[in-house]
Amino acid sequence: SQTIHQWPATLVQPVGSPLSLECTVEGTSNPNLYWYRQAAGRGLQLLFYSVGIGQISSEVPQNLSASRPQDRQFILSSKKLLLSDSGFYLCAWRAMGGLTYNEQFFGPGTRLTVL
Amino acid sequence: RKEVEQDPGPFNVPEGATVAFNCTYSNSASQSFFWYRQDCRKEPKLLMSVYSSGNEDGRFTAQLNRASQYISLLIRDSKLSDSATYLCVVNKGAGNNRKLIWGLGTSLAVNP
Repeated sequence: SQTIHQWPATLVQPVGSPLSLECTVEGTSNPNLYWYRQAAGRGLQLLFYSVGIGQISSEVPQNLSASRPQDRQFILSSKKLLLSDSGFYLCAWRAMGGLTYNEQFFGPGTRLTVL
Repeated sequence: RKEVEQDPGPFNVPEGATVAFNCTYSNSASQSFFWYRQDCRKEPKLLMSVYSSGNEDGRFTAQLNRASQYISLLIRDSKLSDSATYLCVVNKGAGNNRKLIWGLGTSLAVNP
């Protein structure tokens, strides 16, 4: 079965510090991968998605970047965090075939607080 | 107009009650529809996919009305453990540009 891992679970960072969040998927090959952010009391906002190694699409201009160095690894980064980067960061994967091809499955998330 | 709209609630119901949530979407080309459940401070989890006019899974029934562009979720015999936020999700785009558009969620509290 497929599993998706994210770490760390919780992070408190000062403004201006760098960020690196990692997501890995097991049990599937060539998944589409997604980074979302959910701010307090708000809906899920798609930040980036990737259809393959080295392929990144950005949905919203912002202070963040993403990379996919391996098939099942997706990394979210920032060089300098802003207060507005606080939120719940969720990684998700989508299978690439079958009837369930639009369904997305989420990792446990990273709760980021920028102070 | 938001692409996916839901009544935020909260819906407060007693155990055993039947409760229904509605969701409207703006993109008439959407083909896939989902209900996710999100517990407080947790990740969303897929509850049901709705690929045709509707489907049922135990106490949960989802219905799709393409003409009116709305989706509903019916929960029968509510349990305390059903307390959560229910997210309506609709697909957009095609091929590798296929994405999900998320509603803001409807909050449900089932009371003893």
